[in-house]
Amino acid sequence: EAQVTQNPRYLITVTGKKLTVTCSQNMNHEYMSWYRQDPGLGLRQIYYSMNVEVTDKGDVPEGYKVSRKEKRNFPLILESPSPNQTSLYFCASSTSETNSPLHFGNGTRLTVT
Amino acid sequence: DQQVKQNSPSLSVQEGRISILNCDYTNSMFDYFLWYKKYPAEGPTFLISISSIKDKNEDGRFTVFLNKSAKHLSLHIVPSQPGDSAVYFCAASRWTGNQFYFGTGTSLTVIP
Repeated sequence: EAQVTQNPRYLITVTGKKLTVTCSQNMNHEYMSWYRQDPGLGLRQIYYSMNVEVTDKGDVPEGYKVSRKEKRNFPLILESPSPNQTSLYFCASSTSETNSPLHFGNGTRLTVT
Repeated sequence: DQQVKQNSPSLSVQEGRISILNCDYTNSMFDYFLWYKKYPAEGPTFLISISSIKDKNEDGRFTVFLNKSAKHLSLHIVPSQPGDSAVYFCAASRWTGNQFYFGTGTSLTVIP
């Protein structure tokens, strides 16, 4: 089954403790992206990657890092999480075809205390 | 600054009636628009799209209308069904890119 898999689904952590949210897709998609969803703000893009070793900032990249060492994986790294990063995070992927619709994972609910 | 806006956080409609979800955008460079549907505890799923060269696109019960001069698009669902109850996000992008800008979502409830 074609899918985008995020782990973990739920995560509670404390301020400053480094964490990684993994994202993997099995559709051989070139494009991958991370979004956060917050009440009243919709989905905002954090980082995206057009292909392996190619990443770029989205609209809200501060406090996040990403890497794209393999085509299928696009982990999101919070080096020193803060409470304002408490949010619902979605990973998404698509083909490189212009405006190809995004396929989303089921989300990771992160709480930073 | 929110470039894509959905001004109605929620909408309730009787089963069988029409649901109309609205979306406005501010960036005149946007020329491709999509609607996504999201159920609780799941990620958004693609529903329907439209490019700026069209003013209407239809897929079964779902029709998207685009008014470029007003920078407005709408999603019509006819007839509405209880399974359509979900949060609907509109999104926009430029034809040359893969970067999508999302609205804040409208929660649709279809009452049986």
